[in-house]
Amino acid sequence: AQSVAQPEDQVNVAEGNPLTVKCTYSVSGNPYLFWYVQYPNRGLQFLLKYITGDNLVKGSYGFEAEFNKSQTSFHLKKPSALVSDSALYFCAVRVLGGYQKVTFGTGTKLQVIP
Amino acid sequence: EAGVTQFPSHSVIEKGQTVTLRCDPISGHDNLYWYRRVMGKEIKFLLHFVKESKQDESGMPNNRFLAERTGGTYSTLKVQPAELEDSGVYFCASSQDSYTEAFFGQGTRLTVV
Repeated sequence: AQSVAQPEDQVNVAEGNPLTVKCTYSVSGNPYLFWYVQYPNRGLQFLLKYITGDNLVKGSYGFEAEFNKSQTSFHLKKPSALVSDSALYFCAVRVLGGYQKVTFGTGTKLQVIP
Repeated sequence: EAGVTQFPSHSVIEKGQTVTLRCDPISGHDNLYWYRRVMGKEIKFLLHFVKESKQDESGMPNNRFLAERTGGTYSTLKVQPAELEDSGVYFCASSQDSYTEAFFGQGTRLTVV
């Protein structure tokens, strides 16, 4: 069985400061990892993904994520937070290859304080 | 290009009634997924269509839920009869193939009272 853990229900950060939203995963096989963001009253928007290659992947809106195989983590980061980044962030994983379902975490609410 | 669209955006029904949710995937996307998020919990997988076939329906909670994808285009998810615990946000997503990310609709918020 595959699973995703987002240990923080909420992360508060001051505008302009770096932010990190944590994610760890468990999967049998090579992982295919995602981050999605949900703004209020909107659907899930794709931010970035990791398949293979460089451990640091860059995505939309200045976000990036670092894949760490030994720690089975895929933390989301941004060097300088904006108030407009305030939203709900979901980490997700699936097994690479074939027709496989995606498993999501519980989500982390990011609050950027002006 | 239109994204994934879901209808209705909100639905409030009484316990015991029937509700049908609709999802129109992005044109050309063979893979269609249904997910549900209940009261601040994780987004849980319900089922996965590849074209008109059910690839994986292991997440369907019980036989009150019926999903169809006629002709491999749009999909419907029917809940009959609805129970209070069925309340939540139902998301639909589609992807072109197994190696590309899924694009989500805005969700249908279902409230059973």
